[in-house]
Amino acid sequence: DADVTQTPRNRITKTGKRIMLECSQTKGHDRMYWYRQDPGLGLRLIYYSFDVKDINKGEISDGYSVSRQAQAKFSLSLESAIPNQTALYFCATSDYLSSGYTFGSGTRLTVV
Amino acid sequence: AQSVTQPDIHITVSEGASLELRCNYSYGATPYLFWYVQSPGQGLQLLLKYFSGDTLVQGIKGFEAEFKRSQSSFNLRKPSVHWSDAAEYFCAVEHYSGGGADGLTFGKGTHLIIQP
Repeated sequence: DADVTQTPRNRITKTGKRIMLECSQTKGHDRMYWYRQDPGLGLRLIYYSFDVKDINKGEISDGYSVSRQAQAKFSLSLESAIPNQTALYFCATSDYLSSGYTFGSGTRLTVV
Repeated sequence: AQSVTQPDIHITVSEGASLELRCNYSYGATPYLFWYVQSPGQGLQLLLKYFSGDTLVQGIKGFEAEFKRSQSSFNLRKPSVHWSDAAEYFCAVEHYSGGGADGLTFGKGTHLIIQP
């Protein structure tokens, strides 16, 4: 099994729908992150969490919310999806000492 | 605020030729720097990272990078590219506070094309 698992891998949804992207990890890392990738823009940080009780906004948090259900699980929600949220979404984990970041395989979201 | 600039959006290199991908960063403290590669349709794979010490860092797949503080640069190099190196390459700088690692700021990426 992968260290960082994202579900679903692909999703098409309609404008205005609520959608949740899920991330689980077996690394035992405390820190988890959600990034969004758009062509030509690289990856941008949406939200990050240091532990279950510590959630922080990133560079582009508007229109998104997150939930850290457990140390191993971090989900990203789009309350009312809009077409410009069409992107590739990555979850990542790291530990306190930043020995490195582990990325999931990504979720490709299309909002029509 | 921290930032990363990758000046080249696309680079085309002949197979077997040498490669250098440029990366400049802006960060107030000692930077922790990373290079990632993303093959088409894939996730991100760590090539190498710099935290401290020797400014020439060796990575996987024959890549290396050199940290130059005076130039705020962390350029990626490979002496001889292979067709399988065609991919998107991202440079990143880590935010680091008293609470530990806060995440990465990425450059916009360089798309590497390999000519036969």
